[in-house]
This record gives sequence, structure tokens and C-alpha cells, in this order.
Amino acid sequence: DTGVSQDPRHKITKRGQNVTFRCDPISEHNRLYWYRQTLGQGPEFLTYFQNEAQLEKSRLLSDRFSAERPKGSFSTLEIQRTEQGDSAMYLCASSLILGTTPGEQYFGPGTRLTVT
Amino acid sequence: GEDVEQSLFLSVREGDSSVINCTYTDSSSTYLYWYKQEPGAGLQLLTYIFSNMDMKQDQRLTVLLNKKDKHLSLRIADTQTGDSAIYFCAESPSNYQLIWGAGTKLIIKP
Repeated sequence: DTGVSQDPRHKITKRGQNVTFRCDPISEHNRLYWYRQTLGQGPEFLTYFQNEAQLEKSRLLSDRFSAERPKGSFSTLEIQRTEQGDSAMYLCASSLILGTTPGEQYFGPGTRLTVT
Repeated sequence: GEDVEQSLFLSVREGDSSVINCTYTDSSSTYLYWYKQEPGAGLQLLTYIFSNMDMKQDQRLTVLLNKKDKHLSLRIADTQTGDSAIYFCAESPSNYQLIWGAGTKLIIKP
């Protein structure tokens, strides 16, 4: 039974560079979520997909951030022109639409981004 | 606005009960959740409670909900060293979004 996987687990980049993260959800899950978590805080919602459609984006998601889920399976989150304030753990989660409550989400281990 | 608050730390002796408290603001939340985060591991759903319930018990875990005061608690009976983690309370004001507290770090003393 494979859970949610994320790649890479760690990324160090220089300010101004672009980075891309990948998330592979649990295969039968039709919803996929991206969150950002900083030290000492709970996750903050960024965006979510239902199948391949991006249904909601947080106002935290500036125009430097873009997310895709082209075939309704894996998803990518790209950050362009990274800033030091982007340093955080980026979490991906997936869930089913039916048969579960909205918050029954399965999380990956996260990608830790450090912008120097 | 939406806000979920928890105390940042709780220290208990092994074998005692742990009670982690949470307050939330959105009375429209249909479900409330407790998640556990261990170092190097992903967030894991522990339990949840439907908003029309007062209590839910699941083995060593007991969730109490006081909807009038918007207060949620998680009791862990017979706390073990393996229970050391950060515990997050979350509310669900919509059919997709979770609003999270900052987490309570549970420290177990031998």
C-alpha cells in the first residue's frame, strides 16, 4: 500500500531561482491539496484539485506560484523567482470525495524548501 | 474570521492521561479533527468528531466537543513514549478546506 509521496524531500535554492515540487497521491484519490507549513505553525491551505481541475486557490498563492495536475494523477507546484519568505515545508495531501469527511486527508512527508 | 487556537506545549508523565485543548471560531464547521505529526513523518489523521456529537471514544482516545463554547479536547489515556508528537486541531468550514491550529507538542516524562 503506497501512501502519498513527494519529491524532492529537501531543496536548497538561491533567491531568484525557480523550483518545482512533485506530489504523487494515493492512486484512487480524486482530490489533491497543497499546503505550506512554517516552523511552529499548522499547515496553511494553498490550493486543491478535484481530478485535473484546480477548484480553489488561497490568496496566499501569489502569481509566482503555479500548480498543475495535468491528468488527474500526480501534481506539480512551481515557485518562480523564489524569495527567502518562501522557505517552508510544502505538504501535499490527497483524499476521496465520497465516503469520507472533507478533512480525511492523507499527507505526504513534505518537501522542505530553503531559500538562501 | 476563522481561527483555531491551541497551547504550544503539554508535558505529562508516562502512564498518565494527556488532555490537549483547542478552541475554534467557525460555528459552521461540520467536523472537527485531530491530527498527529511525528518528526520526519507526514501528518496522520487520529480521529474526528461530527459537530452534533458531544463525545467520541476510540480506544485510548476520547474527543470531547463543547459546541456552545467552541471548545474541543483530545484525551489520551495511559500516555506512552510513542505518543510524543505534535497534535493539531483542525476545523472544516467548507467541503474542502481545513483551518489548523499551531499544534501542541506533547512531551512525555519517564
